[in-house]
Amino acid sequence: EVQLQESGPGLVKPSQSLSLTCSVTGYSITSNYWGWIRKFPGNKMEWMGYISYSGSTSYNPSLKSRISITRDTSKNQFFLQLNSVTTEDTATYYCARGRWFAYWGQGTLVTVSS
Amino acid sequence: DVQMTQSLSYLAASPGESVSISCKASKSISNYLAWYQQKPGEAYKLLIYSGSTLQSGTPSRFSGSGSGTDFTLTIRSLEPEDFGLYYCQQYYEKPLTFGSGTKLEIK
Repeated sequence: EVQLQESGPGLVKPSQSLSLTCSVTGYSITSNYWGWIRKFPGNKMEWMGYISYSGSTSYNPSLKSRISITRDTSKNQFFLQLNSVTTEDTATYYCARGRWFAYWGQGTLVTVSS
Repeated sequence: DVQMTQSLSYLAASPGESVSISCKASKSISNYLAWYQQKPGEAYKLLIYSGSTLQSGTPSRFSGSGSGTDFTLTIRSLEPEDFGLYYCQQYYEKPLTFGSGTKLEIK
């Protein structure tokens, strides 16, 4: 069974970087696409980007140069880094597989606050 | 970006009734559309992809239709466990985008 689990700090200060890990079991991240999605208060959903089976990445232009998605294939994990966060980055962050998302993590709430 | 519009933000219906949730794309996305259900405390569940293909495990009372710009998720004979938030998502082009969600409440 494919399972994804997000982990990382729940509180980040403004201007700092947000870093999250998605640990995957039951499927190799060297296959398919692995992405990050966030849900803002009020239920708006935003696709942030993904890393492909080959290691190539694609990002939402709305995040400009603030985002980076990387991976560690030996641990079957992939990572999100979002730089220069503001309070508007407060959201629940999800990792998910694919371009339509058959598998999701449970989500982790990240609050940006001083 | 392709804007996805779910015109109904809230819907209430009784068990046994049928409901339809619409989703409109700002440009043609062929059938590159997925539907999800989210319940509090649970992971998102993919219900339908390619506009009308049921994901394994999705009950047959769910169906999807549409192509191009207009899509519909229909739930026949509602069950109490069908409450939740429903989202559409296009994967025709990047950035992938979601509708704003429709909250289904069971009366």
